[in-house]
Amino acid sequence: DTGVSQNPRHKITKRGQNVTFRCDPISEHNRLYWYRQTLGQGPEFLTYFQNEAQLEKSRLLSDRFSAERPKGSFSTLEIQRTEQGDSAMYLCASSLVGQGTIQYFGAGTRLSVL
Amino acid sequence: AQSVAQPEDQVNVAEGNPLTVKCTYSVSGNPYLFWYVQYPNRGLQFLLKYITGDNLVKGSYGFEAEFNKSQTSFHLKKPSALVSDSALYFCAVKGQAGTALIFGKGTTLSVSS
Repeated sequence: DTGVSQNPRHKITKRGQNVTFRCDPISEHNRLYWYRQTLGQGPEFLTYFQNEAQLEKSRLLSDRFSAERPKGSFSTLEIQRTEQGDSAMYLCASSLVGQGTIQYFGAGTRLSVL
Repeated sequence: AQSVAQPEDQVNVAEGNPLTVKCTYSVSGNPYLFWYVQYPNRGLQFLLKYITGDNLVKGSYGFEAEFNKSQTSFHLKKPSALVSDSALYFCAVKGQAGTALIFGKGTTLSVSS
């Protein structure tokens, strides 16, 4: 499978714990995006990387959230001191550079904070 | 500010009938418009996009969409619905200066046999 891969698919954690998600993009794609989707809503942009540089962050990305993309390959999204409001589906997408390029999405990581 | 509106939470059609899922947008400059479909427990799958050119765009699985600049709309259509088309559909827009996609809230399509 050469699509976008996300792990884990599901994560259940207790409030206050830290969690980390991983995204492996399509291999030749130099842009990588993180979105969050809550029930009944469309995905909302969190941040994106071009190669290893994090170029844009949404106001939704609080100080408890951090994302990395070392060496411009896979990316990790960490949430520190999780809160119940963090419960959501976290989606990763990748694309080539260009205004009209298609973003291809992974299956997502569903986070449940108890 | 950029935004996308999908005015219908749910669309119900009978198999074999034509379907339309509505989308309107607001963006500075020329828009880049996309439709995605989401099946349960799966990620978003790309259906089609409009960048420039012909206002009628054809995409995957027999879907097409019509770009209307004056009405700022990008409605998704299919001439003959299948039960397997039942899913959640998202319209998304990106402005020329932007990178992130702005999504609508989604429309659930239910096709009955």
